Amino acid sequence: QKEVEQNSGPLSVPEGAIASLNCTYSDRGSQSFFWYRQYSGKSPELIMSIYSNGDKEDGRFTAQLNKASQYVSLLIRDSQPSDSATYLCAVNIGDSNYQLIWGAGTKLIIKP
Amino acid sequence: EAGVAQSPRYKIIEKRQSVAFWCNPISGHATLYWYQQILGQGPKLLIQFQNNGVVDDSQLPKDRFSAERLKGVDSTLKIQPAKLEDSAVYLCASSFGVLREQYFGPGTRLTVT
Repeated sequence: QKEVEQNSGPLSVPEGAIASLNCTYSDRGSQSFFWYRQYSGKSPELIMSIYSNGDKEDGRFTAQLNKASQYVSLLIRDSQPSDSATYLCAVNIGDSNYQLIWGAGTKLIIKP
Repeated sequence: EAGVAQSPRYKIIEKRQSVAFWCNPISGHATLYWYQQILGQGPKLLIQFQNNGVVDDSQLPKDRFSAERLKGVDSTLKIQPAKLEDSAVYLCASSFGVLREQYFGPGTRLTVT
């Protein structure tokens, strides 16, 4: 069964520090990877997509993809209390050209 | 650019009743998704449309759930009859194409009593 695994947390990080969120996936053929942020009671909001090995930066966010080790991570620099949310990882199934598998999310708490 | 619209935002019904949710995707987005999200879990895909055709409905409980996307734009998801375990948030999302970034609507919180 295709799986996406995330540590449920909560992950507690001091304000101003770097928050590191990790996601592992089981399907070696996966090609598309997404990070979403979900505030309590709200719908998921796209943060970043990544398709190639390496790093992709957007403002304070950096996504890192390592297909050989089958993990994708999200780094948040200069963490702010407003970053406190649940972060969801979604990965496509390699043998399908359309289906995403979602992790259960990691709850991040930024402490002032 | 307007986002994904959903209605209603909240719905409370009794078990065995029926309910319908409506979704209007972002203009130009050919792919539309309905998800069910239970508290503490990631979204679970119920059905995916490409234009007005069904791409994947493998996790849709077809004995009680139905969905349609007429004219390849708006979509409706129906539950009949509802069960207690259907209490969840129902999310609609759209994307420009398959495996492209998905954008979510605000969701509908359903409570079945």
